[in-house]
Amino acid sequence: KNQVEQSPQSLIILEGKNCTLQCNYTVSPFSNLRWYKQDTGRGPVSLTIMTFSENTKSNGRYTATLDADTKQSSLHITASQLSDSASYICVVPSTDSWGKLQFGAGTQVVVTP
Amino acid sequence: DTAVSQTPKYLVTQMGNDKSIKCEQNLGHDTMYWYKQDSKKFLKIMFSYNNKELIINETVPNRFSPKSPDKAHLNLHINSLELGDSAVYFCASSPTVLTYEQYFGPGTRLTVT
Repeated sequence: KNQVEQSPQSLIILEGKNCTLQCNYTVSPFSNLRWYKQDTGRGPVSLTIMTFSENTKSNGRYTATLDADTKQSSLHITASQLSDSASYICVVPSTDSWGKLQFGAGTQVVVTP
Repeated sequence: DTAVSQTPKYLVTQMGNDKSIKCEQNLGHDTMYWYKQDSKKFLKIMFSYNNKELIINETVPNRFSPKSPDKAHLNLHINSLELGDSAVYFCASSPTVLTYEQYFGPGTRLTVT
């Protein structure tokens, strides 16, 4: 069973609107959680990292939240732009071995004009 | 001045052939990775090298053989290609094996016919 679950699988929003993506993880012990953005035909790019002591972190119009007690994170996109159309992937370090990451399946976001 | 580069970008080949994908990073990182992203968009770790030493070797058919001539290069050779090998293969690097910030290449889309 995957240790990182994301929802929704996909969503379509109008340009200028806000949206929130969810990530639930079961990896323990927990050290940090990253959100990556993957544009079509490109490799993932890190958006933000949350350590266990952080609740909120912003990167421009992207705001990530973390609740380490409930093992949940969210990524909020404000005033969406067409360039926000991408897959957003939640990533947590695995406890199996050093350097190994557990990836969620991603949420595919489509921003329409 | 690309950070992590892969060649080729696209690779179309017939079943049974042998092919290689090359990866280079100019970030001075110690650790490099190969991932496979299938049609469901899950990123799965295949191999990881730290300073030319293999540290992660997931359950991958032995038709896949990585080679790291130096810490800036990690190549992937695939023998006797099968239809199920069709996927996008991503190379990534990180400063050290303990650093979970990974930088991804643009991917190589492999299509086996």
